[in-house]
Amino acid sequence: DAKTTQPNSMESNEEEPVHLPCNHSTISGTDYIHWYRQLPSQGPEYVIHGLTSNVNNRMASLAIAEDRKSSTLILHRATLRDAAVYYCILRDFLTQGGSEKLVFGKGMKLTVNP
Amino acid sequence: DAGITQSPRHKVTETGTPVTLRCHQTENHRYMYWYRQDPGHGLRLIHYSYGVKDTDKGEVSDGYSVSRSKTEDFLLTLESATSSQTSVYFCAIKGTGFGENSPLHFGNGTRLTVT
Repeated sequence: DAKTTQPNSMESNEEEPVHLPCNHSTISGTDYIHWYRQLPSQGPEYVIHGLTSNVNNRMASLAIAEDRKSSTLILHRATLRDAAVYYCILRDFLTQGGSEKLVFGKGMKLTVNP
Repeated sequence: DAGITQSPRHKVTETGTPVTLRCHQTENHRYMYWYRQDPGHGLRLIHYSYGVKDTDKGEVSDGYSVSRSKTEDFLLTLESATSSQTSVYFCAIKGTGFGENSPLHFGNGTRLTVT
């Protein structure tokens, strides 16, 4: 299974941009990069995903390195509500059903200071 | 919240007793998943379903069974609960909009304590 590596934790200040790094040196050519986050006492929620090109949505931006061995999730203006555990995940197909297994690692805890 | 309801939200049970957790969805999604979350391990896939009566094992399936007799319900059963199964259990469904890359939507979890 392709694996990702993230720092255990990061801190940021409210209303400042935050860049959350992820390394995935063993990524295959067809693996998509997915980001989820988990707020305290809640289930994970989808943030963004991408393959090769940078991606933007209402929550964040995803910058993918040209060699795809790393990516960065960008929160343009961190708020207190962005304090969560962030998971960088590579897609992995399951054995049946054409579905996919998202292998969640331990993630990275983001603390946002007021 | 993608129409996912997990029940119960909290349960305390004794070692050796059977326990069934329920995941109910209202949006007719084909794929449903059960994960467990433990400190230091992140989320780990227990079982998943790709249709009515179609299920398969994940990475930590020992001691668990599942059933999906109708699209909207995915049941996780601990036949004989053990203390190592104390955990937070999350149900997820695969949404739509990105084809095979559609994101998972998670319920709010069931906190199970086995004493």
